[in-house]
Amino acid sequence: EPEVTQTPSHQVTQMGQEVILRCVPISNHLYFYWYRQILGQKVEFLVSFYNNEISEKSEIFDDQFSVERPDGSNFTLKIRSTKLEDSAMYFCASSEQGATYEQYFGPGTRLTVT
Amino acid sequence: KNQVEQSPQSLIILEGKNCTLQCNYTVSPFSNLRWYKQDTGRGPVSLTIMTFSENTKSNGRYTATLDADTKQSSLHITASQLSDSASYICVVPAQGAGSYQLTFGKGTKLSVIP
Repeated sequence: EPEVTQTPSHQVTQMGQEVILRCVPISNHLYFYWYRQILGQKVEFLVSFYNNEISEKSEIFDDQFSVERPDGSNFTLKIRSTKLEDSAMYFCASSEQGATYEQYFGPGTRLTVT
Repeated sequence: KNQVEQSPQSLIILEGKNCTLQCNYTVSPFSNLRWYKQDTGRGPVSLTIMTFSENTKSNGRYTATLDADTKQSSLHITASQLSDSASYICVVPAQGAGSYQLTFGKGTKLSVIP
């Protein structure tokens, strides 16, 4: 069964460093998403991406964040200068079509900023 | 601001017993409501998506109900198994029909014990 994959599973970085989290969505899906979950808290939407552009973003997704689909399979989230409060689990998701369609989540990348 | 409130916060039941989890939401206009299962440290996995016209939907031992008038949903788990131990999260699109942004509840943490 097709699934969303994410790498790395765990990333440790120092405050101020740039990180890139990588995702491979399900191959025939057209919509891609990033979410984050701070330990013990609820999952929060960051951004949605369709047709090579951001379709929607939350207040959390400020200028420190960017997303890219560099090729036909990968979808990346870049955090330019990490802060301690960026420590969280980051989930990538994809869906075949838009808003009312099922979103399939990856296993997550745990980002630890020290 | 759209809210998703879930109860109880946590629940412990004996293997083989049934349980019901509750969700109240305030999003308007309503598009759909989703229930996800999230194992610790893993990505959410969809159980059901319910639209306005559906008031009951089943997926194996999971049955979700929706009352769009009172803006309440419930998830009923029948004959619980140890593998049902997880967080169960109620999710709605943040801005109604056109939004890709999902608003997550805090979840109900279910523990099934032998």
